[in-house]
Amino acid sequence: KNEVEQSPQNLTAQEGEFITINCSYSVGISALHWLQQHPGGGIVSLFMLSSGKKKHGRLIATINIQEKHSSLHITASHPRDSAVYICAVGRSNQFYFGTGTSLTVIP
Amino acid sequence: DADVTQTPRNRITKTGKRIMLECSQTKGHDRMYWYRQDPGLGLRLIYYSFDVKDINKGEISDGYSVSRQAQAKFSLSLESAIPNQTALYFCATSDDRTGGYYGYTFGSGTRLTVV
Repeated sequence: KNEVEQSPQNLTAQEGEFITINCSYSVGISALHWLQQHPGGGIVSLFMLSSGKKKHGRLIATINIQEKHSSLHITASHPRDSAVYICAVGRSNQFYFGTGTSLTVIP
Repeated sequence: DADVTQTPRNRITKTGKRIMLECSQTKGHDRMYWYRQDPGLGLRLIYYSFDVKDINKGEISDGYSVSRQAQAKFSLSLESAIPNQTALYFCATSDDRTGGYYGYTFGSGTRLTVV
């Protein structure tokens, strides 16, 4: 069983919708990354969190350390947001990755 | 130029051949990593290096070896490639501060096919 679980696995949304992707993990962590992987394969780090909430443009990431849960929100979604979003948790100097949420935003 | 450069971008090789994937970085990071990505699975760590003299096995190191030639260069070798090593391979770097969790930067990936 992967120690990092993401939901949903796949998500289709209409342009403009508010989107939430969830990440749950089973052990204590030092940090959590949200990553974005585009169809071409490249991976980009969106946020690194150890507590609270971060916002960058239309993206918001939150983490609840006690509940071992993080969410990535996208406001006013756009077709260019279509990608795979990956949660990664850091502990013992390494990251452990979820399998990703594939998001498709339809115009 | 990209901060983390992987070569080649794509490679098809035959079973039993030796192949090297190369990674170079301009981030100035001490920590470098090799991951592989398979459909339906999360990224899995093959090897990692915290500095030139420090090499560590990851979750799935069997069948792979690495060389850290300099702070900026970290190569992954498949001594005798087999078809189940067909995957997308990523090199990554991170800042040494606070456990290496900051500044995670990925290369563009190498798509390797073993036939």
